[in-house]
Amino acid sequence: KAGVTQTPRYLIKTRGQQVTLSCSPISGHRSVSWYQQTPGQGLQFLFEYFSETQRNKGNFPGRFSGRQFSNSRSEMNVSTLELGDSALYLCASSEIPSTDTQYFGPGTRLTVL
Amino acid sequence: SQQGEEDPQALSIQEGENATMNCSYKTSINNLQWYRQNSGRGLVHLILIRSNEREKHSGRLRVTLDTSKKSSSLLITASRAADTASYFCATDRGGSEKLVFGKGTKLTVNP
Repeated sequence: KAGVTQTPRYLIKTRGQQVTLSCSPISGHRSVSWYQQTPGQGLQFLFEYFSETQRNKGNFPGRFSGRQFSNSRSEMNVSTLELGDSALYLCASSEIPSTDTQYFGPGTRLTVL
Repeated sequence: SQQGEEDPQALSIQEGENATMNCSYKTSINNLQWYRQNSGRGLVHLILIRSNEREKHSGRLRVTLDTSKKSSSLLITASRAADTASYFCATDRGGSEKLVFGKGTKLTVNP
């Protein structure tokens, strides 16, 4: 099976703009989680989607949002970008909302100037 | 919020040596997992150990869990240059945060 794919791989934006990142899970996986990784804060959980519904949300401001489509593909959106949003955004999928094994994509590197 | 703390933050060894990384956490957990990350790329799941297990093996990996001390260790035996990566522990507390990751140990294996 193909792995988790994320697009784009690299992105450069300026402060105040918004950005949309995409994640395609492994075929058959219906749960998608998003994480933000920064040198200062490390890996932090953003949110989890299952069957097009947000199940859990981490401690991030409302500027961070996401959604999941009927084919399990997921997008996350960050509005009004700040310099501190520069990070590697990782998507992970699993068959069901279980944390037993999550399969991570290669990530999207977002740079905010 | 960070749950796990890996120790050491960085480790440099020679090929063939064993590498031991430790992880401490603060609250009770359902399971603890170890992941590897190569230079700013995605994470690869290595091994999961449940709260009622004390030791688990997978190939050259050995993981122990001591719930009374709230700590875990990852041992990589006979290390190879290809093991060079950052290693993270992640805990599942059964709450809304899914996996909570530590800050990782950066392992360098010199050929």
